[in-house]
Amino acid sequence: GAVVSQHPSRVICKSGTSVKIECRSLDFQATTMFWYRQFPKQSLMLMATSNEGSKATYEQGVEKDKFLINHASLTLSTLTVTSAHPEDSSFYICSAGQGARLGNQPQHFGDGTRLSIL
Amino acid sequence: AQSVAQPEDQVNVAEGNPLTVKCTYSVSGNPYLFWYVQYPNRGLQFLLKYITGDNLVKGSYGFEAEFNKSQTSFHLKKPSALVSDSALYFCAVRDPLGRSQGNLIFGKGTKLSVKP
Repeated sequence: GAVVSQHPSRVICKSGTSVKIECRSLDFQATTMFWYRQFPKQSLMLMATSNEGSKATYEQGVEKDKFLINHASLTLSTLTVTSAHPEDSSFYICSAGQGARLGNQPQHFGDGTRLSIL
Repeated sequence: AQSVAQPEDQVNVAEGNPLTVKCTYSVSGNPYLFWYVQYPNRGLQFLLKYITGDNLVKGSYGFEAEFNKSQTSFHLKKPSALVSDSALYFCAVRDPLGRSQGNLIFGKGTKLSVKP
């Protein structure tokens, strides 16, 4: 149980392209979804937290107009990297959890999306 | 401020030997603690968690972790390592008061390498 599906797994595209990444909770309702960015050999950096039906909360230094997050339903959140540039190349990982503030429940992670901007 | 420290960038172990991956934390109150594993180009997989109760927590794939409140540690252990255990391991803590919308705070990760 508690499966999170993230798609696509890999994207290679030209500079200036907008890229949408989907994150779905397959067998549970995700009250809260998190989006992370991971640089090589580094830990996960939280980009934003989203709750279904409300605006995402972005971490300091993350451009909300650059990284558009939508959490329209309890099973789907999307991250759109708008007008992507080479410096946006990274590994993006989504995570989902149940219940407000999650308490002692683990977050469940997608398999990540490797984004490469040429 | 809440934080998690994983003092070792890499741990090398021979197959069949016991392994320990260290983690210490700094959180007000009684924390919720987690261990995750990440294989190359994959997301994180949940291994185990500590909430309250027994200090020795058993998790997936034969892993266990020992909570030590006085040392504020939550070290990951396995009695006999497998080559397939080679991966990146993350310790994480969640603020029990829920002040961060439930977000996990991660350590920097420890690369475990198990040699045959």
